Amino acid sequence: DTGVSQDPRHKITKRGQNVTFRCDPISEHNRLYWYRQTLGQGPEFLTYFQNEAQLEKSRLLSDRFSAERPKGSFSTLEIQRTEQGDSAMYLCASSLLAGENGELFFGEGSRLTVL
Amino acid sequence: GENVEQHPSTLSVQEGDSAVIKCTYSDSASNYFPWYKQELGKGPQLIIDIRSNVGEKKDQRIAVTLNKTAKHFSLHITETQPEDSAVYFCAASKAAGGGADGLTFGKGTHLIIQP
Repeated sequence: DTGVSQDPRHKITKRGQNVTFRCDPISEHNRLYWYRQTLGQGPEFLTYFQNEAQLEKSRLLSDRFSAERPKGSFSTLEIQRTEQGDSAMYLCASSLLAGENGELFFGEGSRLTVL
Repeated sequence: GENVEQHPSTLSVQEGDSAVIKCTYSDSASNYFPWYKQELGKGPQLIIDIRSNVGEKKDQRIAVTLNKTAKHFSLHITETQPEDSAVYFCAASKAAGGGADGLTFGKGTHLIIQP
């Protein structure tokens, strides 16, 4: 296992279509995070899971967005009825739930372009 | 919520010189301050972090300082090399690994190392 894997790396879609991104975290990591990054900005927190439980959602995560981590391993992020403002890089990160060693390991992201 | 300001947005230095990037944060409850390096087309990678019980931390050419009273922290890179060219992000959170609220990132500094 070489790190956090995200698929697809690039997605171009038309406004109104649904898209789904997948994230495979580092295998022993039980925390999984989704962030969104737009051009020239830092990543913005969307949501996170501890095992299969979704414990926190940002107000950035509108009702068109849904994230799941059904078996506590991989996660999916679905965006319904995409809008041009959804165009961004969607980053997944994972970490171990451990006292002092909480480093987040990021994947290389899934870039979404909504036409 | 937490707000992280980062300066400068672009920094150009001669190879071999030092580079300093500064960040301020607003939430006095934040106690974990990581720095990430992001190269083009890749996800952010942790380069160093500091916790609020420490004022300074060093790792080879990279050092971070933290002033909790003033709520600011800085990244210092000495003897800069061409491979240091990238976008650097500071971040803050209430727990290592991002915790329940996730990391709050600054807007990034594009560091350019001039040969």
